[in-house]
Amino acid sequence: DADVTQTPRNRITKTGKRIMLECSQTKGHDRMYWYRQDPGLGLRLIYYSFDVKDINKGEISDGYSVSRQAQAKFSLSLESAIPNQTALYFCATRGGSRGNTEAFFGQGTRLTVV
Amino acid sequence: QQQVKQSPQSLIVQKGGISIINCAYENTAFDYFPWYQQFPGKGPALLIAIRPDVSEKKEGRFTISFNKSAKQFSLHIMDSQPGDSATYFCAASMDNYGQNFVFGPGTRLSVLP
Repeated sequence: DADVTQTPRNRITKTGKRIMLECSQTKGHDRMYWYRQDPGLGLRLIYYSFDVKDINKGEISDGYSVSRQAQAKFSLSLESAIPNQTALYFCATRGGSRGNTEAFFGQGTRLTVV
Repeated sequence: QQQVKQSPQSLIVQKGGISIINCAYENTAFDYFPWYQQFPGKGPALLIAIRPDVSEKKEGRFTISFNKSAKQFSLHIMDSQPGDSATYFCAASMDNYGQNFVFGPGTRLSVLP
């Protein structure tokens, strides 16, 4: 089983619908992240969390919300999906106590908003 | 000042050749520089990383060269293989628990057989 698991792997949804992307991890890491990947733009941070009571906005949080249900679970919601939210979404975790630790990514969720 | 620039956007190399990807940063507080490799349909995975106290780090065919004064670092892939075909992201971070990675835009490498 993957250390960082994302569901669903692919999703097509209609404009205006609410959708949730889920992430669970078995690494025991406190830090969890949601990134969005678009061609030519790299990985942009949407939200991040250092524990269940700590949620922080990243550089592109507008139109998104998150929930840290447990140390191992971090979900991303699109309250009212729009076509320019079509992208590849990645969840990631980091362990350790410093800033120079490896990030572990899930396999990604390809979201298409029509 | 938080931006990390990366070039080229795409790269085609013949098998056995050398692939070189360059990155540049502005924030001199960055002190950790990893490279992530992403295969199609997969999430990025750490390939190799360097700290600014060394100018070069080598792991197998992969080498990071670091130029602190120029605020640049590069990934060299020696004897490039078709299996190296992937997207490569450079990144930078500060050695602080609350600091997040700043990723470059990525380079799509294709190694021709």
